[in-house]
Amino acid sequence: RKEVEQDPGPFNVPEGATVAFNCTYSNSASQSFFWYRQDCRKEPKLLMSVYSSGNEDGRFTAQLNRASQYISLLIRDSKLSDSATYLCAEDTGFQKLVFGTGTRLLVSP
Amino acid sequence: EPEVTQTPSHQVTQMGQEVILRCVPISNHLYFYWYRQILGQKVEFLVSFYNNEISEKSEIFDDQFSVERPDGSNFTLKIRSTKLEDSAMYFCASSQVAEDTQYFGPGTRLTVL
Repeated sequence: RKEVEQDPGPFNVPEGATVAFNCTYSNSASQSFFWYRQDCRKEPKLLMSVYSSGNEDGRFTAQLNRASQYISLLIRDSKLSDSATYLCAEDTGFQKLVFGTGTRLLVSP
Repeated sequence: EPEVTQTPSHQVTQMGQEVILRCVPISNHLYFYWYRQILGQKVEFLVSFYNNEISEKSEIFDDQFSVERPDGSNFTLKIRSTKLEDSAMYFCASSQVAEDTQYFGPGTRLTVL
């Protein structure tokens, strides 16, 4: 079983839409999770850390469901500039991040 | 805002040659990492480094790879004898403490011909 799994998409949404991505992980002992954004041929840039209580940053909300071993990212009021690949990452506790393949989002006018 | 920097941005080399990729982590960070991303694939962990030694490495990080912190600011990845399949983006990252947010540099695109 893959360690971190994501739907590769692409998710095609119009501007202003709400879109949600899920990411499943297999290591139940992992404590830290992150969402990164990656633009084409660029480095991953941290979008949000994911806490057990959930966290929100403007239009972005991240949730962690330990029972079902998944994390989610909700984007409200999508902008054209949100078009990117969204990577979820699990910190396994061995000083390494394990990334999913990423979910591609395309926001159209 | 402090950031991780990497040089060069693009390196082209012949198969069998040695390459050194350079990184300057964020200055107060103590943990350093290398990842790679083959075109169209996911970001893969290579190695983590703390207190002047390797903390963790993946199976990709074989004897052809080595890392070094030659001075107080640089962190390097050396590939001794490059193969075609080493062609990828190589990202350096750093974090202040273990299991903390890792910040990535802009990457070095390595092309092996």
